Amino acid sequence: QKEVEQNSGPLSVPEGAIASLNCTYSDRGSQSFFWYRQYSGKSPELIMSIYSNGDKEDGRFTAQLNKASQYVSLLIRDSQPSDSATYLCAVNIRYGQNFVFGPGTRLSVLP
Amino acid sequence: EAQVTQNPRYLITVTGKKLTVTCSQNMNHEYMSWYRQDPGLGLRQIYYSMNVEVTDKGDVPEGYKVSRKEKRNFPLILESPSPNQTSLYFCASSRGTGGNEQFFGPGTRLTVL
Repeated sequence: QKEVEQNSGPLSVPEGAIASLNCTYSDRGSQSFFWYRQYSGKSPELIMSIYSNGDKEDGRFTAQLNKASQYVSLLIRDSQPSDSATYLCAVNIRYGQNFVFGPGTRLSVLP
Repeated sequence: EAQVTQNPRYLITVTGKKLTVTCSQNMNHEYMSWYRQDPGLGLRQIYYSMNVEVTDKGDVPEGYKVSRKEKRNFPLILESPSPNQTSLYFCASSRGTGGNEQFFGPGTRLTVL
């Protein structure tokens, strides 16, 4: 079983809709969780970080963490064509040590 | 401007010819890391360093070496590159000893013939 899993997509949503991206992880000792956005040919850039159970909102983005279910999600409200990118879920598997990234979900927002 | 820089950005080389990809950050970060990104496999961690002279293996360290003699620099060394090391490489850094947001460099596209 892979340590961090995501649906590879592509996930297509119409402009203005809510995009929902999901991620599951296998290590119950994981401490920190991150969502990165990566445009084709570019480096990943941080969208959200979340460390405790519940929701965290930042503008149009909401991250949700459920450690009991080992599940983290990212909601993008009012999706824009500029949100079209690959979204990477990253988990800090052992605090202070290595990070594991999921394979990424490709999101396409259709005008 | 706070940033992570990598050089070279593009490199084509031949099997067995030693090469070094440099990485430098100007944010005084303790933690630095190298990743490779391959289609369908995502980002995989090669090596990381929690501070000067402290390095450890990530998930795919075979065929790579690193050193951390200064806080700002974290070079990736391929002693004898092979075609299966053709990939897109990213260096990243973060404050503290890990568990925090990582800032990524622009990437180095390496082709080994």
